[in-house]
Amino acid sequence: DTGVSQDPRHKITKRGQNVTFRCDPISEHNRLYWYRQTLGQGPEFLTYFQNEAQLEKSRLLSDRFSAERPKGSFSTLEIQRTEQGDSAMYLCASSFYGSNEQFFGPGTRLTVL
Amino acid sequence: AQTVTQSQPEMSVQEAETVTLSCTYDTSENNYYLFWYKQPPSRQMILVIRQEAYKQQNATENRFSVNFQKAAKSFSLKISDSQLGDTAMYFCASRFGNEKLTFGTGTRLTIIP
Repeated sequence: DTGVSQDPRHKITKRGQNVTFRCDPISEHNRLYWYRQTLGQGPEFLTYFQNEAQLEKSRLLSDRFSAERPKGSFSTLEIQRTEQGDSAMYLCASSFYGSNEQFFGPGTRLTVL
Repeated sequence: AQTVTQSQPEMSVQEAETVTLSCTYDTSENNYYLFWYKQPPSRQMILVIRQEAYKQQNATENRFSVNFQKAAKSFSLKISDSQLGDTAMYFCASRFGNEKLTFGTGTRLTIIP
């Protein structure tokens, strides 16, 4: 399968714990995006990378959130000191520079107890 | 603010019938892109159809077509000859001059056998 992959698919954690999610984009896609989708809502933009550079961050991305894409390939999204309000589906997408189509992964569903 | 609004939380239609999903948006940009994404139950989001704002001709993809009314800032999706596999959440989204996608809240479409 050569689509966008995300790991883990599900994560249950206790409030206050740190969690890290991984996204592997389609190979050769140089843009990578993170979105968050809460129940009954559409996805909301969090941040995006072009190669290893993080070019834009939403104000939704509080100081507890950090994203990296160290070698311009896979990306990680870390949430420190999780809160119940962080419970959501975290979606990753990738695209070619200049393309209008973003290809989405299956998401990581986070539940904070 | 740049927004995308979907006013139909749920819709259902008999198999083989035609259904239209509504979407409106607000932006001051002249150059932007509009999309309809499909999110089947427990599956990843896929692009259904896209429309460039500078093109007057409505986009079509097989059974899917759009009615793009730029002056009214309206972008509806028509699904002809609906099939059971069309059952999904449908999200209207836009790229308003930057890289991120702005999504509506979605319409849950059920195709009834």
